[in-house]
Amino acid sequence: GAGVSQSPSNKVTEKGKDVELRCDPISGHTALYWYRQSLGQGLEFLIYFQGNSAPDKSGLPSDRFSAERTGGSVSTLTIQRTQQEDSAVYLCASSGTDYGYTFGSGTRLTVV
Amino acid sequence: GQNIDQPTEMTATEGAIVQINCTYQTSGFNGLFWYQQHAGEAPTFLSYNVLDGLEEKGRFSSFLSRSKGYSYLLLKELQMKDSASYLCAVRDQKVTFGTGTKLQVIP
Repeated sequence: GAGVSQSPSNKVTEKGKDVELRCDPISGHTALYWYRQSLGQGLEFLIYFQGNSAPDKSGLPSDRFSAERTGGSVSTLTIQRTQQEDSAVYLCASSGTDYGYTFGSGTRLTVV
Repeated sequence: GQNIDQPTEMTATEGAIVQINCTYQTSGFNGLFWYQQHAGEAPTFLSYNVLDGLEEKGRFSSFLSRSKGYSYLLLKELQMKDSASYLCAVRDQKVTFGTGTKLQVIP
């Protein structure tokens, strides 16, 4: 597609359930980022994939969070045993060049 | 690691010029980005600086001084639609964002 696609756009889940968030980057983009943004806050780095290199997972807040990127394309962010503090907008961005990261519209996660 | 600092909020008048500053500390520098984010929307790319100096793009310009760890975004001829948050982001091995500056443009 022409842009970065994220699904679902909204997700309401019960505390303790697992959720999977999906990101389809722009075709051919080798770099992919996940960020989290709480209401009125800045972007919190979660994880970074670059080509076939080992991902930079230094931003994942706990071992309940994991992400994978299959075939250098689609990425899935999984949150296990969700907590209320996980409620946020989860943003994915991709880039094929040194600049101009393109963001998806995000997944708004609400844990009730 | 990185430390990125921006003012939290700014207010400016329609038609005026506003400068949003960003200071950073990083162990390795590989470029600085500015993004615009309207409320409830995803950030959109504005500019990228990797060398010292001024990059101009229409009403928006971005400046970088690597030796000072300093950048600014200059917005000219402000319009009401420029009301948004402006995010400074620095890349070393990864791209890290500041908390953003919320700009309110008033008539």
